[in-house]
Amino acid sequence: NAGVTQTPKFQVLKTGQSMTLQCAQDMNHNSMYWYRQDPGMGLRLIYYSASEGTTDKGEVPNGYNVSRLNKREFSLRLESAAPSQTSVYFCATRGRGSSQPQHFGDGTRLSIL
Amino acid sequence: TQLLEQSPQFLSIQEGENLTVYCNSSSVFSSLQWYRQEPGEGPVLLVTVVTGGEVKKLKRLTFQFGDARKDSSLHITAAQPGDTGLYLCAGAWNAGNMLTFGGGTRLMVKP
Repeated sequence: NAGVTQTPKFQVLKTGQSMTLQCAQDMNHNSMYWYRQDPGMGLRLIYYSASEGTTDKGEVPNGYNVSRLNKREFSLRLESAAPSQTSVYFCATRGRGSSQPQHFGDGTRLSIL
Repeated sequence: TQLLEQSPQFLSIQEGENLTVYCNSSSVFSSLQWYRQEPGEGPVLLVTVVTGGEVKKLKRLTFQFGDARKDSSLHITAAQPGDTGLYLCAGAWNAGNMLTFGGGTRLMVKP
C-alpha cells in the first residue's frame, strides 16, 4: 500500500530548463494537491484538482502548470525553471469531506541553479 | 488569502519539559488540523478538531479548539526527544477542498 508516490525525490536544474514532477496515488481519492514548502513559510498551495479533469489555481500558481491525467495521477510542470522555484514540492490527496486529512508524499527536493 | 499564524516559530527545550504551540487567525475555521512532519518526509495528520471548545488528547499531546473557532493550541506534556519535528496547523474555512497551512513550529527536544 504505497499511498502517495512522488518522483523524482531529488533534482537539480539549470535556469530555463523544464521539468515535470510526477505524483500518483492508490487511495482512490478525488482531490489532489501540489504544495511547495520553503523555510518558515509552511506549505503553500500551487494548484489543486477536485476531481479528474478539473484543476484550479492555489495561492502561488505563477510559473507552474498542472495536468490531472486520470484519477490516480496529478503532475506539476515547470516550463522555464527559475532560482525562486528552488523548494521542496509535496503532492497530497484527500478523501471526500472538509474534515478529512490530507495524505502527503515524501516530497521532491528541487534545486535550480 | 486567509492567514494562519503559528507561534513560536522555533522551540528548543529539555526532555521532560512542557510546551504549548499556538495557531491563530482572524477568521472562523470550519475545521482545523494539526500535522507533524519529520525530515525527509511529508506531514502526517495528528488530529482534526471541528467543534468550538473541543479538546482532544493523543497520549501526551492535548489539542484545543477555541470557543469561537478562530484559534487552536497544541500542548505537549513531558516532552521526549521523539517529539522533535515540525508541527503544522492547517485550517479549512468552508466545505471546500482547500486547506491553508500555518508557517510551522520547529520543535527540538534535547535529551
